[in-house]
Amino acid sequence: DSGVTQTPKHLITATGQRVTLRCSPRSGDLSVYWYQQSLDQGLQFLIQYYNGEERAKGNILERFSAQQFPDLHSELNLSSLELGDSALYFCASSEVGRDYEQYFGPGTRLTVT
Amino acid sequence: TQLLEQSPQFLSIQEGENLTVYCNSSSVFSSLQWYRQEPGEGPVLLVTVVTGGEVKKLKRLTFQFGDARKDSSLHITAAQPGDTGLYLCAGGTSYGKLTFGQGTILTVHP
Repeated sequence: DSGVTQTPKHLITATGQRVTLRCSPRSGDLSVYWYQQSLDQGLQFLIQYYNGEERAKGNILERFSAQQFPDLHSELNLSSLELGDSALYFCASSEVGRDYEQYFGPGTRLTVT
Repeated sequence: TQLLEQSPQFLSIQEGENLTVYCNSSSVFSSLQWYRQEPGEGPVLLVTVVTGGEVKKLKRLTFQFGDARKDSSLHITAAQPGDTGLYLCAGGTSYGKLTFGQGTILTVHP
């Protein structure tokens, strides 16, 4: 158990819909990262937040957005969903000064039908 | 765009054999991480290497970071069925953004 929690574990929704994925980092970690894992693209960095502020952006679509709240939990919002958005979405966290040592949550499996 | 290429993509061996997985890039990374992932679960961090030429050992696993910080290898001695899984290398750049390789699926048969 990494100490990072994610909900829900599974999500099935229809094209065009909007969903919210939730992540709670390890106790004491200020940084939260979101990744998408699919069979064809592998594990791709989406976005990073540090203590409530966006810090780095990767291959995140405009239909996707994220935020980190004062209690440090983070949410990833996916809207206008397409079939190709079906994937595993992981959240990771790291402690201050050790950005590269990221601890991953169990993931949310999103299926868009 | 920084890319990490892992090889081999698949590895199927018998218990007790040794193996090496390679991770190569044309880019320099500040650090190199190795993760292991099991089906339906998140990647688990095995090791971080930050210095060119660095070698780290974790029981039967030996990790090496290339002198130029562009490549890395993972060597497993006397593999066991419990080593089965997806092994991922990841290169660190700015603000902890990790670039992952495509992974190596290892199967160790009893």
